[in-house]
Amino acid sequence: GQQVMQIPQYQHVQEGEDFTTYCNSSTTLSNIQWYKQRPGGHPVFLIQLVKSGEVKKQKRLTFQFGEAKKNSSLHITATQTTDVGTYFCAGSGKFYFGSGTKLNVKP
Amino acid sequence: DAGVTQSPTHLIKTRGQQVTLRCSPKSGHDTVSWYQQALGQGPQFIFQYYEEEERQRGNFPDRFSGHQFPNYSSELNVNALLLGDSALYLCASSAGSLYEQYFGPGTRLTVT
Repeated sequence: GQQVMQIPQYQHVQEGEDFTTYCNSSTTLSNIQWYKQRPGGHPVFLIQLVKSGEVKKQKRLTFQFGEAKKNSSLHITATQTTDVGTYFCAGSGKFYFGSGTKLNVKP
Repeated sequence: DAGVTQSPTHLIKTRGQQVTLRCSPKSGHDTVSWYQQALGQGPQFIFQYYEEEERQRGNFPDRFSGHQFPNYSSELNVNALLLGDSALYLCASSAGSLYEQYFGPGTRLTVT
């Protein structure tokens, strides 16, 4: 079956440093969505990517969808303590969530 | 406008019992999906309901069943509970199956 893998599992950064999480699928995805889950909270939708090679930006967040539509990345520039949480990718209609990357930001 | 609501917030059940969890979607949404999230893991898709029918199903046994009502609200039923069913159960709604999902706060189920 379809699998979506995310790396790294954990990332500890100093406030102001950049952060990147990667999402890889064993099969081609029709689309990919990114979610953020704060500790004790529920996933919150960030963005959806559909087109091959698509790049979207939201303030300090940059999302990319690979040319082959099998991988994606989320990059945060100059992290802040408010960025703390677990970031999940979800492939092809949201059904397959990655294992998530837990981001901790030290002030 | 209320977002996705779920009830109850927490639930403790004994192994072998049955449980029903409830979800009301965000206003204007017609599609409801259920997920199981174990501690430290990503949400695992259980199934999705649209037009009162199960449209997609993940890799969960038949002990997991659901229902969607004409007002788009939904129930998740789990029979013959196992200790391994202890998890956070999340409901998500969307306007169709291809659009962004809005998650509810979840129901924390503990099976003892």
